Amino acid sequence: GAVVSQHPSRVICKSGTSVKIECRSLDFQATTMFWYRQFPKQSLMLMATSNEGSKATYEQGVEKDKFLINHASLTLSTLTVTSAHPEDSSFYICSGELSYEQYFGPGTRLTVT
Amino acid sequence: EDQVTQSPEALRLQEGESSSLNCSYTVSGLRGLFWYRQDPGKGPEFLFTLYSAGEEKEKERLKATLTKKESFLHITAPKPEDSATYLCAVHGDKIIFGKGTRLHILP
Repeated sequence: GAVVSQHPSRVICKSGTSVKIECRSLDFQATTMFWYRQFPKQSLMLMATSNEGSKATYEQGVEKDKFLINHASLTLSTLTVTSAHPEDSSFYICSGELSYEQYFGPGTRLTVT
Repeated sequence: EDQVTQSPEALRLQEGESSSLNCSYTVSGLRGLFWYRQDPGKGPEFLFTLYSAGEEKEKERLKATLTKKESFLHITAPKPEDSATYLCAVHGDKIIFGKGTRLHILP
């Protein structure tokens, strides 16, 4: 149980375009979902906490107008990277919270050319 | 400020050679300490949650322990398939991840 999926697993986009990443909890309802980014050999860095039906809470230094988060249902949260630039290239991982524990998706590798 | 430090950064062991990974933390009001396994290019896989000093949890060859300042992930008689990065995270005011320990088990 506690399976989280992400789509797409990999995406390449051109600089200046936007890309949407979906995060779904497949077998549980996640009132709270989290979005992280991870650079090679680095720790997971929390970007934002997403609560169903309300605005996301962004960590300090994360531009909320650039990283749009929508948590429209108890099983789906989306992250849209707007006007992407090469420095946004990273591994983006979401997680859903169940019984106080976080279960992670497989991640999305974003490459901006 | 809440902090999490994992050591060593990397560890190479022979198959069957038991060892421990360390997660040292400072947090104001620990709400939980988590261990995850992460394989390259994949999301972390949940292993354990520990809530209070003295607590221990086991799963196959892994055992996690917790004190007021640190947690250990003991791996007994590891196999090559245990090779991965092991992440520790603490939940205080927010959840903070350590940088992980890259574990490589040689056959």
